Amino acid sequence: AQSVTQLDSQVPVFEEAPVELRCNYSSSVSVYLFWYVQYPNQGLQLLLKYLSGSTLVKGINGFEAEFNKSQTSFHLRKPSVHISDTAEYFCAVRANDYKLSFGAGTTVTVRA
Amino acid sequence: DTAVSQTPKYLVTQMGNDKSIKCEQNLGHDTMYWYKQDSKKFLKIMFSYNNKELIINETVPNRFSPKSPDKAHLNLHINSLELGDSAVYFCASSHWTVNTGELFFGEGSRLTVL
Repeated sequence: AQSVTQLDSQVPVFEEAPVELRCNYSSSVSVYLFWYVQYPNQGLQLLLKYLSGSTLVKGINGFEAEFNKSQTSFHLRKPSVHISDTAEYFCAVRANDYKLSFGAGTTVTVRA
Repeated sequence: DTAVSQTPKYLVTQMGNDKSIKCEQNLGHDTMYWYKQDSKKFLKIMFSYNNKELIINETVPNRFSPKSPDKAHLNLHINSLELGDSAVYFCASSHWTVNTGELFFGEGSRLTVL
């Protein structure tokens, strides 16, 4: 079975500053990795995913993440955040059992 | 057009009642899911159906019964509601393939049990 740990439960950040959200996973098999975003009172939508190939993946809204197999990490970054990036961010992992397992989420609050 | 739609969006009911949440997707996907998000925003899968067949059935009380009349619909019926059932329930859909895993979520149904 796989599990996901998001190391930061809350990340306050000023507008136009960079942000990094940390995610570590544990799995005995190869996995597929995802970051989802949940805006207030909405469902989740996919930001980006790593399936194979280049370890640096780019997503929507200027986000990117880097897969590090040796450190079993998949950290999410954005060089300059906007007020509209205030949301809940979920890291997720899926192995061959077809289940998508989510981390506990990181609340990002962007302040002017 | 909403890709994954759930009804109702809000549901307030008394303990012991029975209620249902409906979900429909128009994305042509063959797999649908129910997730429960608790007050701490933790998301946990409950059920998944592929082509109307139950493929994931996590440790969920028997009071919860999913039904998939066709590939585009997955409903959730809950009997004898308890206070602990209060949560946001998300429906999601996807293609049945290992190489993607991208799920498309509805906006959630917030259930409050009094």
